[in-house]
Amino acid sequence: EVQLVESGGGLVQPGRSLRLSCAASGFTFDDYAMHWVRQAPGKGLEWVSGISWNNSSIGYADSVKGRFTISRDNAKNSLYLLMNSLRAEDTALYFCARDRGVTVGNWFDSWGQGTLVTVSS
Amino acid sequence: QSALTQPASVSGSPGQSITISCTGTSSDVGSYNLVSWYQQHPGKAPKLMIYEVSKRPSGVSNHFSGSKSGNTASLTISGLQAEDEADYYCCSYAGSSTLVFGGGTKLTVL
Repeated sequence: EVQLVESGGGLVQPGRSLRLSCAASGFTFDDYAMHWVRQAPGKGLEWVSGISWNNSSIGYADSVKGRFTISRDNAKNSLYLLMNSLRAEDTALYFCARDRGVTVGNWFDSWGQGTLVTVSS
Repeated sequence: QSALTQPASVSGSPGQSITISCTGTSSDVGSYNLVSWYQQHPGKAPKLMIYEVSKRPSGVSNHFSGSKSGNTASLTISGLQAEDEADYYCCSYAGSSTLVFGGGTKLTVL
């Protein structure tokens, strides 16, 4: 069974940094691209970032470009999101999602339950 | 990267059919057959319902169907059931390793 478990969320002050993690199990991690998708309270889904199986292709939403960095460690079956210069508008539930293919840009066939990030002073 | 445009809400009675539109541009929906649809019940993670415009994953009911014409994709739910009440989101590949979601549509089964 595919399992994606996010962690690392919490309350953080504006301008500070936070690192999210996603632990994957139940599948061969380096056979898939991976993504972060977020959902602000009461709002819709927003794609944040995606990374191909071998790090050769990485994409970011304009809203986070230059502030967030996605990475993965295939040896640890883990996906990460380093979030710098956090803003109030980054407050959201952050989902880890598996891409159907090895490159970024197909569709999300499995999702975690999310980790909540709250940016507030 | 502008969000795809979906109606904020749609409604229908049990047994009826509804269609949710998803309008993008020639840079996303119009250029790629990589449109997917997700169902999200309150407090739950999204669930894949349609991929590659019109394909259904194993286990998804055949009363869900998808299509695309030009820059607009559509999700049709026929034979509405109470459990179909949820939020629905479209998503498209937008080139250069980026994706974009629609704003979401709340489906109410009357």
